[in-house]
Amino acid sequence: SQTIHQWPATLVQPVGSPLSLECTVEGTSNPNLYWYRQAAGRGLQLLFYSVGIGQISSEVPQNLSASRPQDRQFILSSKKLLLSDSGFYLCAWRGQVYNEQFFGPGTRLTVL
Amino acid sequence: DAKTTQPPSMDCAEGRAANLPCNHSTISGNEYVYWYRQIHSQGPQYIIHGLKNNETNEMASLIITEDRKSSTLILPHATLRDTAVYYCIVRGVNTNAGKSTFGDGTTLTVKP
Repeated sequence: SQTIHQWPATLVQPVGSPLSLECTVEGTSNPNLYWYRQAAGRGLQLLFYSVGIGQISSEVPQNLSASRPQDRQFILSSKKLLLSDSGFYLCAWRGQVYNEQFFGPGTRLTVL
Repeated sequence: DAKTTQPPSMDCAEGRAANLPCNHSTISGNEYVYWYRQIHSQGPQYIIHGLKNNETNEMASLIITEDRKSSTLILPHATLRDTAVYYCIVRGVNTNAGKSTFGDGTTLTVKP
């Protein structure tokens, strides 16, 4: 069966520090992958999506970037974090039959 | 993707049916209705989806009106563990790289 992993689970970083969040998927090949951010008490904001290795589409202008170095690996990065980057970051992949999305456990990022 | 409207919050007594409404008056003919839920501090979980016929699975039932402008997610016997934010999303199956727009959803509180 398919599983999705994210790490770390929680992260506290100072303003101006770099960021790297990793997402890996098992049990599927060539999935569409997505990065979302969720502010406290709000819905999910789509940040990036990828339809294949090296293919990244950005949904909103921001301080973050994404990369997909391998088929089942999706990385979210920043060179210098801002306070506004705090939030709950979720990675997801798209099911190939019904187009539903399956989410990872998320990373809670606090920028101080 | 069509826009959806959901009430911000609802309460339900444990053991009773929870009926969560969603309006999607601008839905187009090839768009499906998807429901997800998010338990506190976890990633969203896919529940069910449908096009025009009513659907049922082990988690819930989905009732879509004949004109498809609204739908209702039914949890037949709500338990305390069903307390979560429920998201209604409308999207084509294979359009737009599978991107989904998650609004603020409905916070369902199941009370003993």
